[in-house]
Amino acid sequence: AQKITQTQPGMFVQEKEAVTLDCTYDTSDPSYGLFWYKQPSSGEMIFLIYQGSYDQQNATEGRYSLNFQKARKSANLVISASQLGDSAMYFCAMREPQTGANNLFFGTGTRLTVIP
Amino acid sequence: DVKVTQSSRYLVKRTGEKVFLECVQDMDHENMFWYRQDPGLGLRLIYFSYDVKMKEKGDIPEGYSVSREKKERFSLILESASTNQTSMYLCASSPFKGSRSGSSYNEQFFGPGTRLTVL
Repeated sequence: AQKITQTQPGMFVQEKEAVTLDCTYDTSDPSYGLFWYKQPSSGEMIFLIYQGSYDQQNATEGRYSLNFQKARKSANLVISASQLGDSAMYFCAMREPQTGANNLFFGTGTRLTVIP
Repeated sequence: DVKVTQSSRYLVKRTGEKVFLECVQDMDHENMFWYRQDPGLGLRLIYFSYDVKMKEKGDIPEGYSVSREKKERFSLILESASTNQTSMYLCASSPFKGSRSGSSYNEQFFGPGTRLTVL
């Protein structure tokens, strides 16, 4: 079974508007972490935001926020006030700490295009 | 500033060649990872290492091996390259799971990637 599911292969958003990128996850471990990474066309993976399974509040980092709904096992990324530089691939990932090296399981990604 | 470097951004090899992809990190991280990234499949873990000379198979280890002789260096080896190994290869590192690196909560730090083409 897929541990991380991103159902939106591509998304478009108008500049200055907000956009939500969906992510659902599957785990039976009560302790886990959820990450979002951005990958611009240059290829490097850039860490955006983290949510721990025990965190009471939704994570926020500047224009990025994570809509964490534990019961639904969803961790959607919200980008407010989109900018042209936000055009990139976005990956959701989950860490299950039972392994020795903090492995991350990645989704298939969503390509976001910001329209001027 | 944290840094993960990979030996090549682009590499073209022929079928059957032995290929070495090198990754170096300067953050004294215990954990290192090799992924391959293919369109529609996301990132898939090939191998990882949580200590010098230690290695563990990831989800798709077939056709690959790794070497970690020094803490800062993690090499991915394609013993006999095949066309289906044409892909983007990403290296990453992270600190030991029991520690935190500032507010990054053991995030993985990635290198710039190596786009390998096997002809």
